[in-house]
Amino acid sequence: DQQVKQNSPSLSVQEGRISILNCDYTNSMFDYFLWYKKYPAEGPTFLISISSIKDKNEDGRFTVFLNKSAKHLSLHIVPSQPGDSAVYFCAAQPTGTASKLTFGTGTRLQVTL
Amino acid sequence: DAGVIQSPRHEVTEMGQEVTLRCKPISGHDYLFWYRQTMMRGLELLIYFNNNVPIDDSGMPEDRFSAKMPNASFSTLKIQPSEPRDSAVYFCASSLVGQGYEQYFGPGTRLTVT
Repeated sequence: DQQVKQNSPSLSVQEGRISILNCDYTNSMFDYFLWYKKYPAEGPTFLISISSIKDKNEDGRFTVFLNKSAKHLSLHIVPSQPGDSAVYFCAAQPTGTASKLTFGTGTRLQVTL
Repeated sequence: DAGVIQSPRHEVTEMGQEVTLRCKPISGHDYLFWYRQTMMRGLELLIYFNNNVPIDDSGMPEDRFSAKMPNASFSTLKIQPSEPRDSAVYFCASSLVGQGYEQYFGPGTRLTVT
């Protein structure tokens, strides 16, 4: 049973445009959310996170939005660059289970010239 | 810091053989995690340790899988006997409580069981 779902396995966006990656979750105990980026032959690297007490967190070109009522979060990349081409994983952390993350299946982003 | 170190990077073995994957976490980190990545299921948590003690092994698929952490700087994930369906990329990650929930991942071990 996938508690964190990324329903789009892949996404293609032109350079300079906005990339929007989506993530849905089912467990209402999740209260902290993270996005990881993964290049081929490398481990995932942390990108950005958001606590459930917020609905938006921004870091440069990357913004994460959280809609708790819909159990939905999204990652916006503006403007998209070719170096952003990677697999993006959404992850969620339940309350009181220090550090145990549940990951989605990932979305492969391709930024084209 | 060198980051999380995993060895080997690639492992090809025949069905029935024992496989041992190794991990050195970031120095000072008190949590260590083992994940398996497959196309169908994404990143699955297999087991994690806190201060060298296994906390949750509910993700270990079956008794063929075992993990140990004899000290703060070394952990192993063993599969015995291995099966073709164990073919995947196995990641080790570490983190430090009090520095948020961010986990630092190693480069992974790509396991192929023929």
